[in-house]
Amino acid sequence: GENVGLHLPTLSVQEGDNSIINCAYSNSASDYFIWYKQESGKGPQFIIDIRSNMDKRQGQRVTVLLNKTVKHLSLQIAATQPGDSAVYFCAETLSTNAGKSTFGDGTTLTVKP
Amino acid sequence: SQTIHQWPATLVQPVGSPLSLECTVEGTSNPNLYWYRQAAGRGLQLLFYSVGIGQISSEVPQNLSASRPQDRQFILSSKKLLLSDSGFYLCAGRIFAGQPNEKLFFGSGTQLSVL
Repeated sequence: GENVGLHLPTLSVQEGDNSIINCAYSNSASDYFIWYKQESGKGPQFIIDIRSNMDKRQGQRVTVLLNKTVKHLSLQIAATQPGDSAVYFCAETLSTNAGKSTFGDGTTLTVKP
Repeated sequence: SQTIHQWPATLVQPVGSPLSLECTVEGTSNPNLYWYRQAAGRGLQLLFYSVGIGQISSEVPQNLSASRPQDRQFILSSKKLLLSDSGFYLCAGRIFAGQPNEKLFFGSGTQLSVL
């Protein structure tokens, strides 16, 4: 089956620095991508999404970049805060596939004070 | 806004016992609903999805089943639990408000331990 993978399983940054979390996806037909944040023992929370007709989207302190040529997705977090410590997942969705999302294994972000 | 209510938060069950996890949806109608399982330190594996009442699709062969008796109710069941059924179970929903896709909204999850 199709797979969504992350380049690094863990990332440690200093408070105030910028963080970049990467994701590689395999299904070139996927047309919708989402980043989720999951804190321990909780369900994933939506952070930001991007459709395949875009290559960049910005939110509050977060930016998602999509490179369809190399099937790569990244999440940039500006001025990382201790509250950003969590596991981050990317998910890819094919709109013709009942809205089913395929998730990667996640990157654990640790913010050092 | 849409909300998924999922319970219980934690559950410890002996091997061979039955299972029933329920989730209900508030704030929307006709959502697509999904059951995911998450092993420790891993991503989410899709188990079942439903596009409407009584409509269930299974993604992986397993010891579990799902049902959708009402539009906003989604149930995950097993007649006899196995050790390998342990994990973190998440119910999720998605609505399509004129867009080809919308983000999933998740419940808070159930941590199931089969002993």
